[in-house]
Amino acid sequence: SAVISQKPSRDICQRGTSLTIQCQVDSQVTMMFWYRQQPGQSLTLIATANQGSEATYESGFVIDKFPISRPNLTFSTLTVSNMSPEDSSIYLCSVLTGGNQPQHFGDGTRLSIL
Amino acid sequence: GENVEQHPSTLSVQEGDSAVIKCTYSDSASNYFPWYKQELGKGPQLIIDIRSNVGEKKDQRIAVTLNKTAKHFSLHITETQPEDSAVYFCAASLSGNQFYFGTGTSLTVIP
Repeated sequence: SAVISQKPSRDICQRGTSLTIQCQVDSQVTMMFWYRQQPGQSLTLIATANQGSEATYESGFVIDKFPISRPNLTFSTLTVSNMSPEDSSIYLCSVLTGGNQPQHFGDGTRLSIL
Repeated sequence: GENVEQHPSTLSVQEGDSAVIKCTYSDSASNYFPWYKQELGKGPQLIIDIRSNVGEKKDQRIAVTLNKTAKHFSLHITETQPEDSAVYFCAASLSGNQFYFGTGTSLTVIP
């Protein structure tokens, strides 16, 4: 399975600032995803990161708030913009290595906004 | 779209006993069902998966069963150990690209 590195692993940020989270995979993957996980909750898909084109966002998530880049088949970034305390959460990167294969997750970024 | 329900939300068992977590799904077209274990401070890790052409799959102390007619699948952990304590998520996939996750089960194994 793919090895996924997420940076930073945690951060504490001020209200109104932005943070960019990086996701690096050790091999080329077909798809990359970004999830949000509130404490004690399940996984909510934010968007699918598309290589070389705009990400596909799920209902309730918009590009202005969560801009995503995927410049190649092994790397993606998620930016959380103009943060508020409601954005405090765990943000997870996941990848698919092929069709009908399991998703593999990074260890997440634990974000707290003061 | 697909809807996955997971029960129970919390489960406590004595060490050595078995634990069972159940999930139901709504879309009969779903054909792939992975299970994930999430330990504190970590991301979800795949522990076992099953495809719709199989009724049961086992890997040492972990097994998964699938009932396509009833649209439910279950995770069975036998001879539980304290290190099995974690949050477990089921998921269902229709196309292999989109996954729908259950709400999670917090399992505590009491030594």
